[in-house]
Amino acid sequence: QVQLQESGPGLLKPSETLSLTCSVSGGSMIYYYWTWIRQPPGQGLEWIGYIHSSGTTKYNPSLEGRVTIAVDTSQNQFSLRLTSVTAADTAVYYCARPDTSGWYPISIWGQGTLVTVSS
Amino acid sequence: EIQMTQSPASLSASVGDRVTITCRASQSISNYVNWYQQKPGKVPRLLIFAASTLQSGVTSRFSGSGSGTDFTLTISSLQPEDFATYYCQQSYRTPWTFGQGTKVEIK
Repeated sequence: QVQLQESGPGLLKPSETLSLTCSVSGGSMIYYYWTWIRQPPGQGLEWIGYIHSSGTTKYNPSLEGRVTIAVDTSQNQFSLRLTSVTAADTAVYYCARPDTSGWYPISIWGQGTLVTVSS
Repeated sequence: EIQMTQSPASLSASVGDRVTITCRASQSISNYVNWYQQKPGKVPRLLIFAASTLQSGVTSRFSGSGSGTDFTLTISSLQPEDFATYYCQQSYRTPWTFGQGTKVEIK
């Protein structure tokens, strides 16, 4: 079955750029919306955005201007880039794959990776 | 942005209790609601999609209902493994948004 695995630095300084990669195994990337979600420590879930395998993107307006999601279907990967990070960006970052039903329930999640922003 | 407001924020219940969690959307979203369970330190797990459809492999103790703006997640008979935080999520319109969560604790 499809598995997702996040990778990237776990510690950043304020103003740096967060870059994470999600490796997809066990299935095709075609036709799906590849999604990033984050969860600050002790808090709830926040949708960051998604990219369709065709390249179409949607981002959370709260992060618009700082966030970029890209996909490389040939490498079975998609990525997250968040610029000018602050302590408020400290969170567990999940990559995820919603189902293709019209309700896009998120049934497949990566294990999550904690990114801490601290000077 | 569509706001999803869950209530209560937390509840204490005993094994065997019937538990109901409510989620209200700031505008009508038809049945575009999904529910997740998250245990401490773990990845969220999909329970229900399309407001009332049980995800494959999820026990029938869980059920969902609602349409429009008001939705409920019900656990018919709470079991020890059900103590967790539950989130609703709307997928009607981006940005997809989650409720703030309901923590179900042991009484």
